[in-house]
Amino acid sequence: DIQMTQSPSSVSASVGDRVTITCQASQAISSWVTWYQQKPGKAPKALIYGASNLLDDVPSRFSGGGSATHFTLTISSLQPEDFATYYCQQTNSFPLTFGGGTKVEVK
Amino acid sequence: EVHLLESGGGLVRPGGSLRLSCAASGFTFSNYAMNWVRQAPGKGLEWVSFISGAGDSTHYADSVKGRFTISRDYTKGTVDLQMNSLRADDTAVYYCAKDGCKTSSCYNNHWGQGTPVTVSS
Repeated sequence: DIQMTQSPSSVSASVGDRVTITCQASQAISSWVTWYQQKPGKAPKALIYGASNLLDDVPSRFSGGGSATHFTLTISSLQPEDFATYYCQQTNSFPLTFGGGTKVEVK
Repeated sequence: EVHLLESGGGLVRPGGSLRLSCAASGFTFSNYAMNWVRQAPGKGLEWVSFISGAGDSTHYADSVKGRFTISRDYTKGTVDLQMNSLRADDTAVYYCAKDGCKTSSCYNNHWGQGTPVTVSS
C-alpha cells in the first residue's frame, strides 16, 4: 500500500501569511494527488486534483505542485475562511490512501 | 446541481450489520465512479470502498475487505454499502463521494453530508 506522509501536522499562521503543506508518497505516483479542505463538522471539499489543477470555485490563492513522491499545497495569502484541516490523497492505485492531515490554526 | 444524501447510519452492536445508502442526483449516474470514505471521531479521513461507473470494478480498504460490500442500483440512483461483522473501530461518520472519473478514481469532487455509525454494546 502507498503511504502518504503529510507535514506538518499543524501550523499556526496569521491572515496574509503564506502557508505550505507537504505530502510525501512512499512510492512514485506520478501526479495522482488530490488536496482536500475540511472544516469542523463538514464534509471535505476538493481543492486541487492531478497535483496542480485547481477545481471550480477554488480561489487562486491555492496552488499545488510536485510529482512522483513529493507534493505541496500552498496558500499564498491566508484568509480567515482558510483556517481548516487539509488532507492529501493518492489515487494512483488501490487502496486509496490519505495523508494524516494538517490543521491550519490561528496564530 | 449534484446532490448526495446518505442514510442508514445508527447504533449497532459488535458483530452486527448495517446497510448504508447514498441517493445521488444531478448528474448522469452511470458516468461516474463512487466512493465511501469514513472519519472516526477526532481522526483523519479513511477511504473505504470504490465502485466504477459501470459497477464492474470494486475495491476495498484492507480494514473492511471481506466484511463490507459496495453496490449500485441504476434504477434508483443509489450506492449502497453493506457492512457486516461490525467492530468498534468501524465507528465513524461515513461519507458518500462522487468521483471525477468513471473507470478508476481521480478525485472526489462532491460529497454527502455523512451518516454516523456507532458500533457499541
